[in-house]
Amino acid sequence: DGGITQSPKYLFRKEGQNVTLSCEQNLNHDAMYWYRQDPGQGLRLIYYSQIVNDFQKGDIAEGYSVSREKKESFPLTVTSAQKNPTAFYLCASSTWQGEETQYFGPGTRLLVL
Amino acid sequence: GNSVTQMEGPVTLSEEAFLTINCTYTATGYPSLFWYVQYPGEGLQLLLKATKADDKGSNKGFEATYRKETTSFHLEKGSVQVSDSAVYFCALSLNSGGSNYKLTFGKGTLLTVNP
Repeated sequence: DGGITQSPKYLFRKEGQNVTLSCEQNLNHDAMYWYRQDPGQGLRLIYYSQIVNDFQKGDIAEGYSVSREKKESFPLTVTSAQKNPTAFYLCASSTWQGEETQYFGPGTRLLVL
Repeated sequence: GNSVTQMEGPVTLSEEAFLTINCTYTATGYPSLFWYVQYPGEGLQLLLKATKADDKGSNKGFEATYRKETTSFHLEKGSVQVSDSAVYFCALSLNSGGSNYKLTFGKGTLLTVNP
């Protein structure tokens, strides 16, 4: 089955700690995205990548970092600089040319201890 | 900038009732329009989409028509079921340069259907 997997489902972060959220896709999509979802605020774009070894900041990139070393993987690191990291994080992907539809993973809920 | 406004919830209906969730948009250009659905504790799933004016997207009994004159994309279903309980997001997609499309989401509408 083709799809997007995210792990872990729940993640706990201690103060001052960096944590990394995993996102893997086997859809052969070129573009990948990270969103943050907060109650009543919809989804906000953190980072996106159109191709391997290239990525751009979204609307709320501060306190986050990403890498795109492989086409199928787009991990997100929530750094200690992100002061309010508690949220539901969603990864998505889409094909490159002419296909606007994004396909989403099941999400990771990050909580601060 | 681009934006999507959808009706605030929560919306509570009885089974077999008619559903309308309003969605209007502001965009520079000609966007594609989407409805995504999020079931409790899960990611988003594409429900339906329309790529040009007067197109009607439909899926699982839901439908929405792209109305350019009113900049709207209202979601409707004639008879809802308990299993339709979820959060519904309206979204638009516009080319933000090259072949990169950027999705802009509304805040979501929580629908609860009671038996």
